[in-house]
Amino acid sequence: DTAVSQTPKYLVTQMGNDKSIKCEQNLGHDTMYWYKQDSKKFLKIMFSYNNKELIINETVPNRFSPKSPDKAHLNLHINSLELGDSAVYFCASSPDLSSYEQYFGPGTRLTVT
Amino acid sequence: DAKTTQPTSMDCAEGRAANLPCNHSTISGNEYVYWYRQIHSQGPQYIIHGLKNNETNEMASLIITEDRKSSTLILPHATLRDTAVYYCIVRRGGSEKLVFGKGMKLTVNP
Repeated sequence: DTAVSQTPKYLVTQMGNDKSIKCEQNLGHDTMYWYKQDSKKFLKIMFSYNNKELIINETVPNRFSPKSPDKAHLNLHINSLELGDSAVYFCASSPDLSSYEQYFGPGTRLTVT
Repeated sequence: DAKTTQPTSMDCAEGRAANLPCNHSTISGNEYVYWYRQIHSQGPQYIIHGLKNNETNEMASLIITEDRKSSTLILPHATLRDTAVYYCIVRRGGSEKLVFGKGMKLTVNP
């Protein structure tokens, strides 16, 4: 079974639309993350949640809203999509905030046209 | 911003040891050195981390210089599946965010 899974794997949408990316981990971890990897391959953290509470919120536009219904899920909702939102989005999890290892999902490639 | 510098790329022959260097001259006493890698079209994968002692696990060895200003990740017997971008990261602890730099592309050739 996949440890950290994301759906969908690919997402193509038009500017102005609202879309969501789902993430689930079956590792029993307390902490989950969202990262964005842009076209230049830079990987940057967006959010982290610990036990459903927001811990890290980088300078991400408020069009991005993470939601954690339970410890195993961290979904990313994006409003009013823009061309610059095109990227690969990775979800990750770790046992807790002090863990040294993060487990990454396979990524969701978002293309905004 | 990333606190490490790595070569842009490196080649290695299959079956040989791959030695991946990393400079972190401004590392603080309580900061660890982490290595992750990202195989094409996959999410990053944790490899190893260390504070000041050398570390070894089933994937690799990490050699940290005595002054802690640089380190080397060693893949003892590189395979084609080790072709990836390798990231050297300095991080104070688990609660601090991972900051990925540009990384180094390792190509293992047959």
